[in-house]
Amino acid sequence: AQTVTQSQPEMSVQEAETVTLSCTYDTSENNYYLFWYKQPPSRQMILVIRQEAYKQQNATENRFSVNFQKAAKSFSLKISDSQLGDTAMYFCAFMKLSPLVFGKGTRLSVIA
Amino acid sequence: DARVTQTPRHKVTEMGQEVTMRCQPILGHNTVFWYRQTMMQGLELLAYFRNRAPLDDSGMPKDRFSAEMPDATLATLKIQPSEPRDSAVYFCASGLGLLNSGNTIYFGEGSWLTVV
Repeated sequence: AQTVTQSQPEMSVQEAETVTLSCTYDTSENNYYLFWYKQPPSRQMILVIRQEAYKQQNATENRFSVNFQKAAKSFSLKISDSQLGDTAMYFCAFMKLSPLVFGKGTRLSVIA
Repeated sequence: DARVTQTPRHKVTEMGQEVTMRCQPILGHNTVFWYRQTMMQGLELLAYFRNRAPLDDSGMPKDRFSAEMPDATLATLKIQPSEPRDSAVYFCASGLGLLNSGNTIYFGEGSWLTVV
């Protein structure tokens, strides 16, 4: 079974700075999909970014980008120019022939 | 703006009562998931359906939980009888196509359940 590990339970960053959230996963599959979801205090699960494992190019969405290291099974999320609205729980998730498997999450606080 | 709709948004009930949560997936989505979120366990998959057929409900306590899709626009999750340990946020999510297609899964806003 696939597992997803987020080793940073909590992080903080100053507004306008850059922060990187870590995620590692364990799988024997070659082709799969990885996601980062954001959960603000409202509890809504919002897709931030997705990555197909067969693509070497790292996905980017505005201020959000990933560093996908397939051999290392690592999928980190970089948030540039952090904003107060980025304060949330962030979940890394894996999908391949089974529903999303989530990590335990990282609570990010952006400080003014 | 297509979205997954869940009702109720909040529910407080007494132990032993029946609770039914409802979900309207995004129109056209053929895969529906139920997740439960607690502080201790994080996000856990309870059950999921494709084309209204249950594919996996191994994450669900069978003695008290049941999940159904009466039609393509409605999924239900029922707890009977409810217990305080069922207190959690229950998410419905939907997607299109096969899981190995990598299509994005969209979540509803969740149903906050408190059992006292």
